[in-house]
Amino acid sequence: DIQMTQSPSSLSASIGDRVNITCRASQAISNWLAWYQLKPGTAPKLLISAASNLQSGVPSRFSGSGSGTDFTLTISSLQPEDFATYYCQQANSLPVTFGQGTRLEIK
Amino acid sequence: QVQLMQSGAEVKEPGSSVTVSCKASGGTFGAFAVNWVRLAPGQGLEWVARIIPVLGAPKNALKFQGRVTITADESTTIAYMTLRGLGSDDTAIYYCARESHGDPYYFEDWGQGTLVTVSS
Repeated sequence: DIQMTQSPSSLSASIGDRVNITCRASQAISNWLAWYQLKPGTAPKLLISAASNLQSGVPSRFSGSGSGTDFTLTISSLQPEDFATYYCQQANSLPVTFGQGTRLEIK
Repeated sequence: QVQLMQSGAEVKEPGSSVTVSCKASGGTFGAFAVNWVRLAPGQGLEWVARIIPVLGAPKNALKFQGRVTITADESTTIAYMTLRGLGSDDTAIYYCARESHGDPYYFEDWGQGTLVTVSS
């Protein structure tokens, strides 16, 4: 199985901050990577597919980059609604595997 | 846009089984894979299983081998997940998630989640 390692596991930031969340795959996965946002009481939301492809309706302050084994989710200017938990997921092969999550909290 | 509506919360005793349903409305059902993903308390997202309704051929994570059965009925546009031999560590929110566009393994549409609590 492909292991996905996210860092940091938690992050405190302020409104307007720029934040980066990184994800490393245990083997090369080209650009087969997704990012999801999860808020309590709601279903996960797909933000980015194919490492950098922003989904329809997702604000442009979100962006993704990387290929191979190293990937980054960037939020350029944090908004109140962005405080949530973020997961990366490899879409290269079954079994699908997720990172352990990054909890983004208000400082 | 596809909407996925899951069955309600369940409380089950250890060793028993649970079946969760996921009804799709809007859009084509058969050609797009339906996955099951769970979120246990204090844990991260975990992929459980996948099925393409028109093809069958379910796949599941190795840790659930022999305990999980997933099916999909094209006539009713409902997918089902049955998990047997429940233990306390199966307490989780179970989501169905559909791959609604071209590339596989991207989960664009999600059900609202079904809380399964395993307790004696």
